[in-house]
Amino acid sequence: GESVGLHLPTLSVQEGDNSIINCAYSNSASDYFIWYKQESGKGPQFIIDIRSNMDKRQGQRVTVLLNKTVKHLSLQIAATQPGDSAVYFCAENIDAGKSTFGDGTTLTVKP
Amino acid sequence: GAVVSQHPSRVICKSGTSVKIECRSLDFQATTMFWYRQFPKQSLMLMATSNEGSKATYEQGVEKDKFLINHASLTLSTLTVTSAHPEDSSFYICSARGAGGSSYEQYFGPGTRLTVT
Repeated sequence: GESVGLHLPTLSVQEGDNSIINCAYSNSASDYFIWYKQESGKGPQFIIDIRSNMDKRQGQRVTVLLNKTVKHLSLQIAATQPGDSAVYFCAENIDAGKSTFGDGTTLTVKP
Repeated sequence: GAVVSQHPSRVICKSGTSVKIECRSLDFQATTMFWYRQFPKQSLMLMATSNEGSKATYEQGVEKDKFLINHASLTLSTLTVTSAHPEDSSFYICSARGAGGSSYEQYFGPGTRLTVT
């Protein structure tokens, strides 16, 4: 079946550097994408979303890029901080239905 | 706003017993609630989707007679794990989608850690 996956399972960066977390999706019908942050023992926390009619969306220190041609999604975190250490999931959604989660990337920020 | 709570946060039960997990939307009405299960170092796997006042829709491979879902009101959904076994030990997470605002947004609860001994 179709699925959402991530390119890298782990990412380690120095505090203050920028982080880029990637995600590949395979369902071309997906029209809404979300990035979540999950800290150990907690539920997912919404970071940023983007609809398929957009290529880029910016939030506070975060940017999501969507490339529909190659079905690729990325999350950029500027000036990464130790508090950003967590597992990051992308999720795809079709027509306001259920969300399908990717495998997750563990981000570790070294002080 | 858009807070979702779960109770209990963690529970330990003996094999063969049943356990109920509650999911509440505290400041909005949730027309749809989702139940996920997450094993260690794995992603969230959707178990079922429930709409208020109707039967839940279960994902393929999820036993509806084992995982009973009730969404009797716009602020409460419950998941009951019946005749629990050690392999049911997992992190159970609910999310809720409201009637107003963006129809896409889901708000997640903090999760319930179930350990079956």
